Amino acid sequence: DGGITQSPKYLFRKEGQNVTLSCEQNLNHDAMYWYRQDPGQGLRLIYYSQIVNDFQKGDIAEGYSVSREKKESFPLTVTSAQKNPTAFYLCATRGWQTYEQYFGPGTRLTVT
Amino acid sequence: AQSVTQLGSHVSVSEGALVLLRCNYSSSVPPYLFWYVQYPNQGLQLLLKYTTGATLVKGINGFEAEFKKSETSFHLTKPSAHMSDAAEYFCAVISNTGFQKLVFGTGTRLLVSP
Repeated sequence: DGGITQSPKYLFRKEGQNVTLSCEQNLNHDAMYWYRQDPGQGLRLIYYSQIVNDFQKGDIAEGYSVSREKKESFPLTVTSAQKNPTAFYLCATRGWQTYEQYFGPGTRLTVT
Repeated sequence: AQSVTQLGSHVSVSEGALVLLRCNYSSSVPPYLFWYVQYPNQGLQLLLKYTTGATLVKGINGFEAEFKKSETSFHLTKPSAHMSDAAEYFCAVISNTGFQKLVFGTGTRLLVSP
């Protein structure tokens, strides 16, 4: 079964705790992305990675961190420095020399 | 920098009626354009894309879009709405900032009534 998996689907945390969201893909895609979605604001890019061991900040990277140790995996850590972490988080991938991105099912994070 | 404007945060149609979702873009280079659909609490699914070639692009689920350079538009249409089309639709353009970043519009929620 090919595709992009994100786990968990729903995540609840207390304020002040770091939390890591998983993104795994078996599409053999080089590029991976993390987006944040808030109602009425579309999607905003947090981080992206074009190859293993390399990643770049997107438009709203403050309070987030990532790693890319394997081609298949691109975990996102939401740190306690993120002022408003409650949101829907989407992971995406893109294949070599293509333009469209493919999205995972998302993780809804609620921080109280 | 590229940007996308989607006119209308909500569009309501009756089942069987024409669906028209509007998207205008700004781009300093020839744009690559996309429409995605999102059902509640799910990821985004690619509906269709325009990169080069034919300006009328057909996608999945009976949707199509026409790239009009003179109007900087890429409106999404479907001749006859179905209840299952109720979802949120996002238009996106690829940024020209050196890597393949997608710039999204704020989305249009399509409501379909019986």
